[in-house]
Amino acid sequence: EPEVTQTPSHQVTQMGQEVILRCVPISNHLYFYWYRQILGQKVEFLVSFYNNEISEKSEIFDDQFSVERPDGSNFTLKIRSTKLEDSAMYFCASRDRDLATNEKLFFGSGTQLSVL
Amino acid sequence: ILNVEQSPQSLHVQEGDSTNFTCSFPSSNFYALHWYRWETAKSPEALFVMTLNGDEKKKGRISATLNTKEGYSYLYIKGSQPEDSATYLCASITGAQKLVFGQGTRLTINP
Repeated sequence: EPEVTQTPSHQVTQMGQEVILRCVPISNHLYFYWYRQILGQKVEFLVSFYNNEISEKSEIFDDQFSVERPDGSNFTLKIRSTKLEDSAMYFCASRDRDLATNEKLFFGSGTQLSVL
Repeated sequence: ILNVEQSPQSLHVQEGDSTNFTCSFPSSNFYALHWYRWETAKSPEALFVMTLNGDEKKKGRISATLNTKEGYSYLYIKGSQPEDSATYLCASITGAQKLVFGQGTRLTINP
């Protein structure tokens, strides 16, 4: 079965540094998402992306965050200046249709980001 | 504000026993409920997407029910096996078209 792939699986960075988390969604999918889970907390929605633009974002997704689909296959999440509280497991997900069609999301296996 | 809650947070079950756990969600503006199984170091994997009140879905030994009027869903596992050990996540969709997750139920099957 096709899968969403994320790299790297682990990323360690110093506070204040920029990080880019990479995702390759399933090839015919059109809707893309980033979620994160801080240890011990709920999985939280960050942003959804469709047709080369953000369709929705949460209050977590402030000016320090950005997303891009630079080449038609990769979907990246950039954090410009990381904070300690950005340490979390970041998940990418994709779908071929809008959530309104009641189809499931396909998730990657996550990138564990540790900010020191 | 949409609050999705799951209980219990963790559960230990003897192999062969059956078990169930709960997801509760606000019943107003309900659109759909998702269940995912998340094994350590793997991707969360969709089990069910449920939309209709009274819906019941089954996948092998796992089944789920949905009550949209009172805002809850149950996930049942019959005859638990060690490979069922995972965190089970439920998530609800409102008209905002995003998934809001519960905190998960961490299930451990003891051989």
